Amino acid sequence: AQRVTQPEKLLSVFKGAPVELKCNYSYSGSPELFWYVQYSRQRLQLLLRHISRESIKGFTADLNKGETSFHLKKPFAQEEDSAMYYCALSGPGANNLFFGTGTRLTVIP
Amino acid sequence: GAVVSQHPSRVICKSGTSVKIECRSLDFQATTMFWYRQFPKQSLMLMATSNEGSKATYEQGVEKDKFLINHASLTLSTLTVTSAHPEDSSFYICSARDRMGGAGYTFGSGTRLTVV
Repeated sequence: AQRVTQPEKLLSVFKGAPVELKCNYSYSGSPELFWYVQYSRQRLQLLLRHISRESIKGFTADLNKGETSFHLKKPFAQEEDSAMYYCALSGPGANNLFFGTGTRLTVIP
Repeated sequence: GAVVSQHPSRVICKSGTSVKIECRSLDFQATTMFWYRQFPKQSLMLMATSNEGSKATYEQGVEKDKFLINHASLTLSTLTVTSAHPEDSSFYICSARDRMGGAGYTFGSGTRLTVV
């Protein structure tokens, strides 16, 4: 069965500090991994997907199959990064997303 | 970019009544839409997958007779909460994936349902 684990419910960092939001997954196969972000009073929106290998808003995430992790990183946090972040997984050819419990990031000025 | 419109954004209803929530893909066609439920301070839980022109697929533990899903066109899916009870009060979110694939899933803005 698939499972997405985000161990930190809350994470606070100072502006300019590095930030890492952890995500581990369990899936018997090759999943597609995503990070979604929800800013205050806004809808969920896609931040990253692992197959794109992009950097969005300074964030990157590398899929580590050995450790079954997909941690989200940013070298210098900004106040506007404060939001709820969800790691999500989808099986190949599958349509639905399974979400982790989310991490609320607060960047302290 | 792809936009999903969901309404109403907020609804209050009396126990025993039914409430319909609409989810529309505005600039793309979606053969599949998804309905999630989110309790306060918890993650999104997939309730069902809505398939255009066929029956929805419900997740384990979700009552199909209580949460009626209709996906009559490539741009519209509806979720009807029938005979609502206070415990159905929650935040309901729909999402859709462009039938042509594309980058990820697009989410609606959600519906806050309060049953009194």
